[in-house]
Amino acid sequence: DAGVTQSPTHLIKTRGQQVTLRCSPKSGHDTVSWYQQALGQGPQFIFQYYEEEERQRGNFPDRFSGHQFPNYSSELNVNALLLGDSALYLCASSFSDNYEQYFGPGTRLTVT
Amino acid sequence: ILNVEQSPQSLHVQEGDSTNFTCSFPSSNFYALHWYRWETAKSPEALFVMTLNGDEKKKGRISATLNTKEGYSYLYIKGSQPEDSATYLCLSVSWGKLQFGAGTQVVVTP
Repeated sequence: DAGVTQSPTHLIKTRGQQVTLRCSPKSGHDTVSWYQQALGQGPQFIFQYYEEEERQRGNFPDRFSGHQFPNYSSELNVNALLLGDSALYLCASSFSDNYEQYFGPGTRLTVT
Repeated sequence: ILNVEQSPQSLHVQEGDSTNFTCSFPSSNFYALHWYRWETAKSPEALFVMTLNGDEKKKGRISATLNTKEGYSYLYIKGSQPEDSATYLCLSVSWGKLQFGAGTQVVVTP
């Protein structure tokens, strides 16, 4: 049984560009949450998707958007990248009302 | 309290010693409090999901307590071992909001 997978592992982008990160949830999970973890901080909640809709959102600007597909996989899109967007982006999946989160390995984004 | 706060930020423990640390969280609209262990180069791993005031959970040498009225949770490690070295994160789940603390980094030295 595959756990949560994320792609790519590492990514380098230039300021102003756009990026798409991908996440496949653990088998049987229908909810995907995205987090940003900057150096020295705990993960910050970006948003959560359930049944292809954004269910909850943290304090992130509209430059951060997402999508969930019918197979429950998800994408995180960030437009107009800023240097401050450099971080580890974690995806976590859970089953509906059971909020225990299973995390993927993360995508390390560097914006230059 | 509006944000999730963990203390201390880091601690060093001698192998065999016991230790504990705190997570403070907003008590309003509380739904659940999670604890995760995050080892270097690995993904965070769930330790406990706690929902009821007074709840106590145990997994091996690690246990946790929850006070939802005052908004805090303690994590205890009994007889620390080098493999307990990790960052321990708490996650507050309330209606419409998920908040992680910054974590407590635990280093267990032989």
